[in-house]
Amino acid sequence: DQQVKQNSPSLSVQEGRISILNCDYTNSMFDYFLWYKKYPAEGPTFLISISSIKDKNEDGRFTVFLNKSAKHLSLHIVPSQPGDSAVYFCAAKEGGGADGLTFGKGTHLIIQP
Amino acid sequence: KAGVTQTPRYLIKTRGQQVTLSCSPISGHRSVSWYQQTPGQGLQFLFEYFSETQRNKGNFPGRFSGRQFSNSRSEMNVSTLELGDSALYLCASSLLAGDNEQFFGPGTRLTVL
Repeated sequence: DQQVKQNSPSLSVQEGRISILNCDYTNSMFDYFLWYKKYPAEGPTFLISISSIKDKNEDGRFTVFLNKSAKHLSLHIVPSQPGDSAVYFCAAKEGGGADGLTFGKGTHLIIQP
Repeated sequence: KAGVTQTPRYLIKTRGQQVTLSCSPISGHRSVSWYQQTPGQGLQFLFEYFSETQRNKGNFPGRFSGRQFSNSRSEMNVSTLELGDSALYLCASSLLAGDNEQFFGPGTRLTVL
């Protein structure tokens, strides 16, 4: 059973607009969430993270929102740029846990000129 | 600061053979985690090593094993290869065991024929 779900395999957004990538989780023990970006033939690159004690974290054009009651998080990219085209993975972790990161299957974001 | 390095980048093996993959973490990082990425299952946690000890292991058969050396470099071994072992194997390093933020290498693409 998938504990982290990214229900949109792909998303197409026009350059300059907002990109919103969504992620849902089922494990209530998760207390830290991360977003990674992955280009073909490269490993995932850490983008932004959020602890469960917060509901928002911002870093430049990237903002992550966490809704614990809905077990939902989202990544907002504003404004979207061509270099943002990549696969975005949502990941979650239990605090202090040794189980590693649990990943979603990714959303392929395509930024159109 | 150099990132996580993995060797080799590409590997082709036949069923029944064994393979060893290598990972050098970011300098100063002492924890190394391994993940398998396949189109069907996404990114799945294999195991984490810290101070030359395996902390935990994901849901993989005993054919998958690893070790860590005193300089924090890690190797992963897969014995009696099966076609389904074809995947991208990613190594991630973090400063300490159980750290939330992990930094990934470019991966080793293993093809089993």
